[in-house]
Amino acid sequence: DAKTTQPNSMESNEEEPVHLPCNHSTISGTDYIHWYRQLPSQGPEYVIHGLTSNVNNRMASLAIAEDRKSSTLILHRATLRDAAVYYCIRVSGTSYGKLTFGQGTILTVHP
Amino acid sequence: NAGVMQNPRHLVRRRGQEARLRCSPVKGHSHVYWYRQLPEEGLKFMVYLQKENIIDESGMPKERFSAEFPKEGPSILRIQQVVRGDSAAYFCASSLGTGNTEAFFGQGTRLTVV
Repeated sequence: DAKTTQPNSMESNEEEPVHLPCNHSTISGTDYIHWYRQLPSQGPEYVIHGLTSNVNNRMASLAIAEDRKSSTLILHRATLRDAAVYYCIRVSGTSYGKLTFGQGTILTVHP
Repeated sequence: NAGVMQNPRHLVRRRGQEARLRCSPVKGHSHVYWYRQLPEEGLKFMVYLQKENIIDESGMPKERFSAEFPKEGPSILRIQQVVRGDSAAYFCASSLGTGNTEAFFGQGTRLTVV
């Protein structure tokens, strides 16, 4: 049970921003929100994670709702190389970092 | 700065043979995880190990599968008497072992049982 809900698929055009939503309404106070992505025929790749505050890194931004029941991964300018399956995962802050993958969102980027 | 190294990348075994998959974690990481991705399915957790210890093997099939992470050397996922249903991509990840750190994944070993 991944305990997060994501749309099955989304589409974007190259150079445009992409907002990938994730619902985690039963999240506990110590759960981190992690995002990973998997490009075709590759291993998963870490994107970003956060607890309460919004986070930015070189790959993306993570916007976390004030009640923490949802979050949004933001790719500021999609490229064709961003086409992948994106996974939103709750990771307990009191455990050892086990990842429970759901079905994720298949992101298609059009040229 | 080497990431997680898995070998072999591709492995073909006949039914009944043994498969050994190796994983060298990121230098300094003592926490290793194995995941399996069956064709057209999602990634499933198999086992979590620290040096010389299996901490959580709740995702491991009860028979034929074993894992180890010795004091020296890579982590090994061993599948005895392989069957066609074992054909999958096996991914290893390593981390610092908390929920507040990222996991680094290898490129995987794609096992094909013929």
